[in-house]
Amino acid sequence: SYILTQPPSVSVAPGQTATITCGGDSIGSKNVNWYQQKPGQAPLLIVSYDSDRPSGIPERISGSNSGNMATLSINRVEVGDEADYYCHVWGSNSETVFGGGTKLTV
Amino acid sequence: QVTLEESGPALVKATQTLTLTCTFSGFSLSASGMRVSWIRQPPGMALEWLARIDWDGDKFYNRSLKTRLTISKDTSKPQVVLTLTNVGPADTGSYFCARMGSGRSGAPYDFWGRGMLVTVSS
Repeated sequence: SYILTQPPSVSVAPGQTATITCGGDSIGSKNVNWYQQKPGQAPLLIVSYDSDRPSGIPERISGSNSGNMATLSINRVEVGDEADYYCHVWGSNSETVFGGGTKLTV
Repeated sequence: QVTLEESGPALVKATQTLTLTCTFSGFSLSASGMRVSWIRQPPGMALEWLARIDWDGDKFYNRSLKTRLTISKDTSKPQVVLTLTNVGPADTGSYFCARMGSGRSGAPYDFWGRGMLVTVSS
């Protein structure tokens, strides 16, 4: 089955840029979605199809995908961005695959 | 306005069968491209996809849990039901239902329920 690899944690100072990676075999050929999850809440879609932002998601959040790595970038990080972030793709048999999650500490 | 809400027992005993219901509104699961999945999250751990049912009745399961899972939809109600047999302590966690609102390959989960915590007692 397809495996997505994320760093367990990323730490960044307020105002700086946070970069969260999601590695997978030829992930650049897949559509990658990203979710933000705060404690006690359901995940929230923040990036779809590699780089699209749903309505209401700020422009300082962006995504990219190429080769064997997809990346979520959060510019001008705020304390309110502290959360767990998960990447998601469709597997070869249309199953859902999530990465192991990255805890962003601000 | 799309909403999803999970319901079921908060506490089940080991070896029993867990039945969860996802009641949704704001869309029809019969509409082309609509899909609903169940996803769970053990305390302090990552998201784990369990199963998905599509608008055309197709069903998909997590391979490692396939023998224990059944997903179904009630055509007379806006509901998706998940059953998990022979539960154990490792099945403790929050259970979410979520919608894929596009028939496009690689579609995201655009709406989620709030989730419900299920505890399996030994």
